[in-house]
Amino acid sequence: QSVLTQPPSVSEAPGQRVTISCSGSSSNIGNTAVNWYRQLPGEAPKLLIYYDNLLPSGVSDRFSGSKSDTSASLAISGLQSEDEADYYCASWDDNLDVWVFGGGTKLTVL
Amino acid sequence: EVQLVESGGDLIQPRGSLRLSCAASGFTVTTNYMNWVRQAPGKGLEWVSLIYPGGSTAYADSVKGRFTISRDSSSNTLYLQMNALKAEDTAVYYCARQRRGAVAGKPYHYMDVWGRGTTVTVSS
Repeated sequence: QSVLTQPPSVSEAPGQRVTISCSGSSSNIGNTAVNWYRQLPGEAPKLLIYYDNLLPSGVSDRFSGSKSDTSASLAISGLQSEDEADYYCASWDDNLDVWVFGGGTKLTVL
Repeated sequence: EVQLVESGGDLIQPRGSLRLSCAASGFTVTTNYMNWVRQAPGKGLEWVSLIYPGGSTAYADSVKGRFTISRDSSSNTLYLQMNALKAEDTAVYYCARQRRGAVAGKPYHYMDVWGRGTTVTVSS
């Protein structure tokens, strides 16, 4: 059971927009930054969004992040087949003094 | 180029020990926050351990007392000593650099560079 809650899967057609939610608590998302990672099959996770909504250099602006209270969302616009991957949210938990991850969301581009 | 390369993964029997290494290039391990994160087969990411620039450490409850994170400045390498291994420790182990920023005096953190991982299988 992950500390952060994500939907196990989402799907959408190419060219459309999809959002992935991440729900936490006041000791993690509600108090610290949310980061998002993408993991392609057989590969290491890659940083996609940090500090709730900032894009690392080289990441497409089709990706965006937002946060409200104890929940966060990742949005991907203009879906492409290569966006099929697992997406994870992560946050530092101030109460537990540990990193916590969501269980991951598998994105299928129909 | 900033890079992390893990090694040391193996097939090991339950209750055995193993040491993982993570060689860094392009930056200095001892002046950064460094993490180990694992992923069991078909499962999600699980944080394992963190070492702070000052040398303090933190562990997930699932490995506390069994795993030890450390680093070596001369080889610029991060380590994870794993003892009393259990079947549930079977996973791909990633090392990751953690960066720190601050907004209005409040710090934020994120893991920005990850290695490709090394596989640990605990089985008799």
